[in-house]
Amino acid sequence: GNSVTQMEGPVTLSEEAFLTINCTYTATGYPSLFWYVQYPGEGLQLLLKATKADDKGSNKGFEATYRKETTSFHLEKGSVQVSDSAVYFCALSDRWGDSGGGADGLTFGKGTHLIIQP
Amino acid sequence: SAVISQKPSRDICQRGTSLTIQCQVDSQVTMMFWYRQQPGQSLTLIATANQGSEATYESGFVIDKFPISRPNLTFSTLTVSNMSPEDSSIYLCSVEWVINYGYTFGSGTRLTVV
Repeated sequence: GNSVTQMEGPVTLSEEAFLTINCTYTATGYPSLFWYVQYPGEGLQLLLKATKADDKGSNKGFEATYRKETTSFHLEKGSVQVSDSAVYFCALSDRWGDSGGGADGLTFGKGTHLIIQP
Repeated sequence: SAVISQKPSRDICQRGTSLTIQCQVDSQVTMMFWYRQQPGQSLTLIATANQGSEATYESGFVIDKFPISRPNLTFSTLTVSNMSPEDSSIYLCSVEWVINYGYTFGSGTRLTVV
């Protein structure tokens, strides 16, 4: 079955530091990949996504590139802010991947708690 | 993308009782999903609810414990039955948004069973 593995936190960085949160996946086909963010006390929000190999998703200064050869989708940001403090979830779906027509819903990683200190 | 209203936002319930969570979407959607997020854990898919058919449950989840209704294309309910403290979690509704190839989530229901 499908699975997502991401680095576990908490990850603590200083403001303006470079951020990488690693995410690797196992899937039967070529899934779509997502990063979701959960700010304190709020619901889950889509941060970015990529639907095929070599696609780069980007939003709010965050980027992630779909690497089929390494089955990875690492999240990066060049300069983090205190407001980026949140839990980040990597996830995959077979629904719209290259193979299409896969299982419904999302498979999530365990989440990475990011803490940015001023 | 769709806007989801989920309620209640939180509740504290006695063990042995049941709670029904409602999910209302502002547009018609084919597929709706229910997830559970246990304290400090990731999200786990409970079931997929399509209008006009029985919900499809993931391994480890059964209809007797988590009955789901999907009476139309904008609404669904999840009931947590015969609750125990182990059911204390955040329950989230999600819909598939085909145009943007993604999923939108409700704000969740934080359930505490005492």
